[in-house]
Amino acid sequence: GAVVSQHPSWVICKSGTSVKIECRSLDFQATTMFWYRQFPKKSLMLMATSNEGSKATYEQGVEKDKFLINHASLTLSTLTVTSAHPEDSSFYICSARDSTANEQFFGPGTRLTVL
Amino acid sequence: QKEVEQNSGPLSVPEGAIASLNCTYSDRGSQSFFWYRQYSGKSPELIMSIYSNGDKEDGRFTAQLNKASQYVSLLIRDSQPSDSATYLCAVNNQAGTALIFGKGTTLSVSS
Repeated sequence: GAVVSQHPSWVICKSGTSVKIECRSLDFQATTMFWYRQFPKKSLMLMATSNEGSKATYEQGVEKDKFLINHASLTLSTLTVTSAHPEDSSFYICSARDSTANEQFFGPGTRLTVL
Repeated sequence: QKEVEQNSGPLSVPEGAIASLNCTYSDRGSQSFFWYRQYSGKSPELIMSIYSNGDKEDGRFTAQLNKASQYVSLLIRDSQPSDSATYLCAVNNQAGTALIFGKGTTLSVSS
């Protein structure tokens, strides 16, 4: 399958700081990328859909001013968690849609811990 | 509201047995169906996709789709302890722009 990378894999930050997570499709172009969050022993929750060159579409209950998404190229989307708080600690996973194959591939995830 | 339903399990099977995982979906317009495997602490990994009614086989995995019944299943033959994971069923929305995930079924294969 296609390869999607995320950086960083782990991040620990102080409350009030901002954290940027990068998601890259390495061997295909992704016009659409998705950002998910998963709390321990819970299911994947879609946060937002990111389309290259346009504004992201956020799911209900997700604060767009807190979770800033940028999808400036066909291979890169970024999620910035602004003014992070301990309740934002979670496993953040991106996925990229390979439109030629009609399949969606996940990155390895970023584990965020806010102290 | 579009939904994808799975039995959360855990589903326990002995090594070598067939594991059967089931999923139903509510959007009759869905055209694409996927099974992902997620190990604890890891991100989901795509293992099967199916688009047409019937069976699709890939190694020990067989996906079955019945659009009339809005039902998709995954069979794992000769189950191995390494198959122990959470299996997520995912369905494309009608626009084809996003995947809707079920909550996942946890499979435990005992040796």
